[in-house]
Amino acid sequence: GNSVTQMEGPVTLSEEAFLTINCTYTATGYPSLFWYVQYPGEGLQLLLKATKADDKGSNKGFEATYRKETTSFHLEKGSVQVSDSAVYFCALRGGNTPLVFGKGTRLSVIA
Amino acid sequence: DVKVTQSSRYLVKRTGEKVFLECVQDMDHENMFWYRQDPGLGLRLIYFSYDVKMKEKGDIPEGYSVSREKKERFSLILESASTNQTSMYLCASSLITLNTGELFFGEGSRLTVL
Repeated sequence: GNSVTQMEGPVTLSEEAFLTINCTYTATGYPSLFWYVQYPGEGLQLLLKATKADDKGSNKGFEATYRKETTSFHLEKGSVQVSDSAVYFCALRGGNTPLVFGKGTRLSVIA
Repeated sequence: DVKVTQSSRYLVKRTGEKVFLECVQDMDHENMFWYRQDPGLGLRLIYFSYDVKMKEKGDIPEGYSVSREKKERFSLILESASTNQTSMYLCASSLITLNTGELFFGEGSRLTVL
């Protein structure tokens, strides 16, 4: 079945550091890939998405590229801010099925 | 603004009690979902619904049931709460085309079962 594996946290970075959160997936066919973010005390919200190979999703300075050859969708940001502290979830949808989420990666950014 | 509202942010119940978690969305979405979120396990799908009076089991339906009598409302029911159902419960909704990928989430209901 479909599954998502993302790097375990927590990840602690200093402000302005470079961020990478790894995400790999297993799926049949051509899934769509997503990153969701959960800020403290809130529900999840969509951060970015990519629906086909080599697509790059981007939002709020975050980027992720759909790499079919490595079955990956790593999240990156060039310079993190304290306000980026949150839990990040990689997710996949294959065919007409509900989203499958990874376990989440907690990011803490310190000033 | 689109909104998914969960009726209770925090609940404390006793083992064996019947628990209702209510979720209302104001976006006229056909699809609604219930997930539970646990540390180290991420989000796991309990039940979802494509339409009024329709329901489908997710990955972990045991011990839960749902009700969708109106399009905007999706209720999660714990018939007899147990301590292993202590968790954060998240409701979400989306448009009928599942492949859009954009789920709109409520703020969550943290349930503690004593």
